[in-house]
Amino acid sequence: DTAVSQTPKYLVTQMGNDKSIKCEQNLGHDTMYWYKQDSKKFLKIMFSYNNKELIINETVPNRFSPKSPDKAHLNLHINSLELGDSAVYFCASSQGVGSDSSPLHFGNGTRLTVT
Amino acid sequence: AQSVTQPDIHITVSEGASLELRCNYSYGATPYLFWYVQSPGQGLQLLLKYFSGDTLVQGIKGFEAEFKRSQSSFNLRKPSVHWSDAAEYFCAVSPRGGGFKTIFGAGTRLFVKA
Repeated sequence: DTAVSQTPKYLVTQMGNDKSIKCEQNLGHDTMYWYKQDSKKFLKIMFSYNNKELIINETVPNRFSPKSPDKAHLNLHINSLELGDSAVYFCASSQGVGSDSSPLHFGNGTRLTVT
Repeated sequence: AQSVTQPDIHITVSEGASLELRCNYSYGATPYLFWYVQSPGQGLQLLLKYFSGDTLVQGIKGFEAEFKRSQSSFNLRKPSVHWSDAAEYFCAVSPRGGGFKTIFGAGTRLFVKA
């Protein structure tokens, strides 16, 4: 009965490779997000989708491309991985409907290590 | 600029002692306010939230927080800490009227000693 699930949990890869992280939520939420947590635990939003439409696109290299096939899924594809991409990536969802900002529900994270 | 400040990078508390984690925010108008907890290897879990009304809010696991508008603060408290409370705690804000952009503080790591 996992609410927000993301795979894989760990991802170790070499520089220059392309990788994807998948996320699914079964909460019926309209909005999904990707956050990046660096080694100092600082959390920064990367993207947000509301009903499959991109609504937040922070200053993220265009090597990062989110894709939302439906409102329950938000995947993150990363091209040409660099050492600095090493971090923990969290998927989250919320029942945002534009006039309120409800709490975020997080997945357990994907620890990406680029060597 | 919008920001959330958690002045304590880490705090050590004895088991059974009381706890207060500080949070201050800088925002154009009173935002929605949240506290999240992150255990090692886990995602963040909501402890409590403030939207409106009573400025003292109760959360899960015996936590509470008090919103003080005059101080732009939303401090988290617990009267008696348990060893299982050792974790990273994040204060967060998000704008009223939508926007979906939650901003997080840098976190406070709580250590609990026996």
